[in-house]
Parts: sequence; structure tokens; C-alpha cells
Amino acid sequence: QITLKESGPTLVKPTQTLTLTCSFSGFSINTTGVAVGWIRQPPGKALEWLALIYWDDDKRYRPSLNSRLAITKDSSKNQVILTMTNVDPVDTGTYYCAHRRAGLTFFFDYWGQGAPVIVSS
Amino acid sequence: DIQMTQSPSSLSASVGDRVTITCRASEDISHHLAWFQHKPGKAPKSLIYSASRLQVGVPTHFSGSGSGTDFTLTINGLQPEDFATYFCQQYNYYPPTFGGGTKVEIK
Repeated sequence: QITLKESGPTLVKPTQTLTLTCSFSGFSINTTGVAVGWIRQPPGKALEWLALIYWDDDKRYRPSLNSRLAITKDSSKNQVILTMTNVDPVDTGTYYCAHRRAGLTFFFDYWGQGAPVIVSS
Repeated sequence: DIQMTQSPSSLSASVGDRVTITCRASEDISHHLAWFQHKPGKAPKSLIYSASRLQVGVPTHFSGSGSGTDFTLTINGLQPEDFATYFCQQYNYYPPTFGGGTKVEIK
């Protein structure tokens, strides 16, 4: 059974760096084909994909946020970490991590319940 | 980026009703479309992938159809547990993009 859970600060000040952790179980990030992604949803807006990390440490980022995002994995802890620098109030929203189904590019078959993030001074 | 336009944004329905939600892509995405169900405070749940393939464990009163730019999620015989928000996602093009969601409420 695949489960994922996001954790991190709920309140972050503008210009600070946001670090979110996705802790997962039921799969290994080292298995060929496996990938984990991050998606967010600003209040009242559509979901927005942010980043993806593959089993072989290849990474993909949302082009418009590429310079501010970093995704890493710690396979020994079954965790994927997303870092976003220089946050702004527009980065407020709920952040989800999700398991990407192997062989289906960016189809996310299992999601965490989300972590709310508020960017405010 | 591919724009995914979902309609309606909300609807009211009764238990037992047939509900249809549509998703339109701004470009041809072949059959690379997924549907999700989302309840407040819960993890989004995948229902359908490849436009019409039911995810394991999803009740068969959910079905998906379409290809190219126009897609439909149908719920036959709405159940009390089906009241939720539904959203689509295309994964044919990078970056993946999502529809704005359809909230299904109790009439």
C-alpha cells in the first residue's frame, strides 16, 4: 500500500526558504521507473505541478520556477525534499507530494493529503 | 502550457443521478488524461488514467471517455460518498497541467 505524507512549516516569511518533506511508504525511490513529484494549489486556483525526481536522480522543474526550486531524495529515509527559495505571498497554498506511476510520464496515482503553507510577514 | 478547461465548475445532484463532467484541452493530448476525486483535508484519489482506464479499486460506476481534446468523466448512480471535487490532468505534454475542478454538491 503506497502512502505519502507531507510535512513542513505552515507559516513562512517572504524572502525566506521553504523546505517541505515528503515521507512515503509502500515503494522504494530506488526502483527503476519510480518518481515522486510535488504539486501545489493556491487558494481558489487550479493545481500546479512543481517538480519531479526520478529513481536515477534525474529531475524536472516547472520552467517558471526552475531557478527557485530544488528537489532531492533520501532513499535511506524514504523521503523526498522540496526546497523553494525567496518565497512570496503568491506561493501560499497547499503543497502535495505524489507518486508517479511508472511508465506514464506525469500521471500521479497516489497523493499525500497536503501541507498548507502561508507566506506572510 | 496546455490549458485544461473543466466544466461545469460546480453542480448540484441527487443520490442516484447520472453526472457528467467535461474537460477540454487546448491542444491534442491523445488519451493522456487522468481524473481525480478530492475531498477536503484528504489526499486526492486517482480514478481514471489514459482517459478511460479505471484505477484499481475504483468503483465501476465511474467511467471516462474521450481522446484528443475533449474528455468526459461520468458517474452513473451518484453515491453519497461521491460528493467531492473532481479534477482532470493532462500528462501528454510537459509540464503537466490540471483542470480547475468541478465541485459536486448535494441537491
